[in-house]
Amino acid sequence: QKEVEQDPGPLSVPEGAIVSLNCTYSNSAFQYFMWYRQYSRKGPELLMYTYSSGNKEDGRFTAQVDKSSKYISLFIRDSQPSDSATYLCAMSGGGGSNYKLTFGKGTLLTVNP
Amino acid sequence: DAGVTQSPTHLIKTRGQQVTLRCSPKSGHDTVSWYQQALGQGPQFIFQYYEEEERQRGNFPDRFSGHQFPNYSSELNVNALLLGDSALYLCASSLGEKGGVGYTFGSGTRLTVV
Repeated sequence: QKEVEQDPGPLSVPEGAIVSLNCTYSNSAFQYFMWYRQYSRKGPELLMYTYSSGNKEDGRFTAQVDKSSKYISLFIRDSQPSDSATYLCAMSGGGGSNYKLTFGKGTLLTVNP
Repeated sequence: DAGVTQSPTHLIKTRGQQVTLRCSPKSGHDTVSWYQQALGQGPQFIFQYYEEEERQRGNFPDRFSGHQFPNYSSELNVNALLLGDSALYLCASSLGEKGGVGYTFGSGTRLTVV
């Protein structure tokens, strides 16, 4: 079983739709939960992060972490064509994995005008 | 303010050759991590360098080695290249971050092994 599982999609939605992206994980030692956005031919850029469980909102983006279920989500409201990118969940912290990020496979999102 | 700079941007090598990739961290950062991202996959952690020492290593063979210089820049070396080493190699810098939220990634070096 992989440490982090992410439905790779791809996902295609119309402009204005609500998008839901999800990851599950197996390592209960993870403490930091992140979402990265990666445009084609670019490196990942940090979109949002959450420490431990809970919700965090930033404009049109909401990140949720449920440590009891080992499940994290990213919601994008009023999606825009500029949101078209690959979204990667990543986790770190705890035990021997203090320094490294463990990523999911990524979900390719296309928002159609 | 310059971000993370990686060179070269693209590289084609023959199986069995050796390659060196370079990374200059973001100004003010002292820690450099390297990741390998195969096509359609998420980045995989190779290793991290801090104070010129390898601090942590992922599940990669000894063919992958690195170095950090006193100015915090770093090199990733891969010996005896295999076709499976073809990937985007990402460098990420941070300021002593343990939790991983302070990383800044470069745009990567696209390595193709033929």
